[in-house]
Amino acid sequence: IAGITQAPTSQILAAGRRMTLRCTQDMRHNAMYWYRQDLGLGLRLIHYSNTAGTTGKGEVPDGYSVSRANTDDFPLTLASAVPSQTSVYFCASSPDSQEAQYFGPGTRLLVL
Amino acid sequence: GESVGLHLPTLSVQEGDNSIINCAYSNSASDYFIWYKQESGKGPQFIIDIRSNMDKRQGQRVTVLLNKTVKHLSLQIAATQPGDSAVYFCAENSQAGTALIFGKGTTLSVSS
Repeated sequence: IAGITQAPTSQILAAGRRMTLRCTQDMRHNAMYWYRQDLGLGLRLIHYSNTAGTTGKGEVPDGYSVSRANTDDFPLTLASAVPSQTSVYFCASSPDSQEAQYFGPGTRLLVL
Repeated sequence: GESVGLHLPTLSVQEGDNSIINCAYSNSASDYFIWYKQESGKGPQFIIDIRSNMDKRQGQRVTVLLNKTVKHLSLQIAATQPGDSAVYFCAENSQAGTALIFGKGTTLSVSS
């Protein structure tokens, strides 16, 4: 089934630990995105990639890094997790950066 | 700066009624708009989109209206069903060319 998958579904993480959230799409979309969603703040863009091999910073990039080695995968890494990174993380993709985005099911992360 | 907002944070309707969810946008140069639906515990789901060369577009039980004069977007849902209960977001394309700009959402509650 075509779409976007994210892993893990949920995670409890100790502060200071490193964590990589995985995202894979099979729609051959050029653009991919990472958002965090917090109550009352809506969706906030962390990082994006308009095409394989390129990445850019969104609204809230601090503490996060991404890579885009190929079209399908766009992992998000928290180098040293902090409690303020507790959130629901959504990955999305779109044919190009100015078209509708399609979202994955999300990863619920709790940093203690 | 760019922003996308919604007129009401919550909307309660009876099953079978028509629902209208509103969105105001601030950037008159935006030329692409999208409505998303997000059910509890899931990722945002694409509903319908519209480009600025149109003022109305219809889908299955949904209609999006665009009024560029007053920078207003609305989503109409016909014969609202309990399964329509969700948070609805509007989004516009970013003039920076990076990603969409999302509003904070309106919660639609449908009672039977």
